[in-house]
Amino acid sequence: DVKVTQSSRYLVKRTGEKVFLECVQDMDHENMFWYRQDPGLGLRLIYFSYDVKMKEKGDIPEGYSVSREKKERFSLILESASTNQTSMYLCASSGPGTGTRETQYFGPGTRLLVL
Amino acid sequence: GEDVEQSLFLSVREGDSSVINCTYTDSSSTYLYWYKQEPGAGLQLLTYIFSNMDMKQDQRLTVLLNKKDKHLSLRIADTQTGDSAIYFCAETEGSARQLTFGSGTQLTVLP
Repeated sequence: DVKVTQSSRYLVKRTGEKVFLECVQDMDHENMFWYRQDPGLGLRLIYFSYDVKMKEKGDIPEGYSVSREKKERFSLILESASTNQTSMYLCASSGPGTGTRETQYFGPGTRLLVL
Repeated sequence: GEDVEQSLFLSVREGDSSVINCTYTDSSSTYLYWYKQEPGAGLQLLTYIFSNMDMKQDQRLTVLLNKKDKHLSLRIADTQTGDSAIYFCAETEGSARQLTFGSGTQLTVLP
């Protein structure tokens, strides 16, 4: 089975702190994604990556950065957390060999509260 | 850009069938997906359908695709309380690696 893990289920941070959210997948997937999920807004894509050291902006990249130094790991960074970044953050991965190559598999999510 | 729309809420009685509907605008969609999200969890892939298919059945789940009307539906037979969740429709165009998601339908199963 595809497994996508996220470093924390719940996180509480203060405004202005630097926050790291880690995501690891074990299926050798080439593509990885970070979304945020807010009530009534569905999933919004923040950043994605097609390969190691590659990154592409999604729909709402402002206030975020990402890092992909290894194929299995994709990190989301909040350089200076703000209260409007309180949200559920979901990581996903996709690649050949699992259903369609575009099928995305999700981690359990990290619920971030910024005070 | 592409758009995927779903109604926000659906309530059904336990044992009845549920039908969750989705419309999309991208005429070049190749795959369409249904995901389920239980409270506090990530999204779980339920099923997907290729755009040249009309129907796909998997146990209690039936997916119907009307490509002409760009309408996708998910039917859950004999709905149980464990089916209460948010259901997301998503689509992708063949050369793209991203999925476009709907806003999700909250299914509530009443006893």
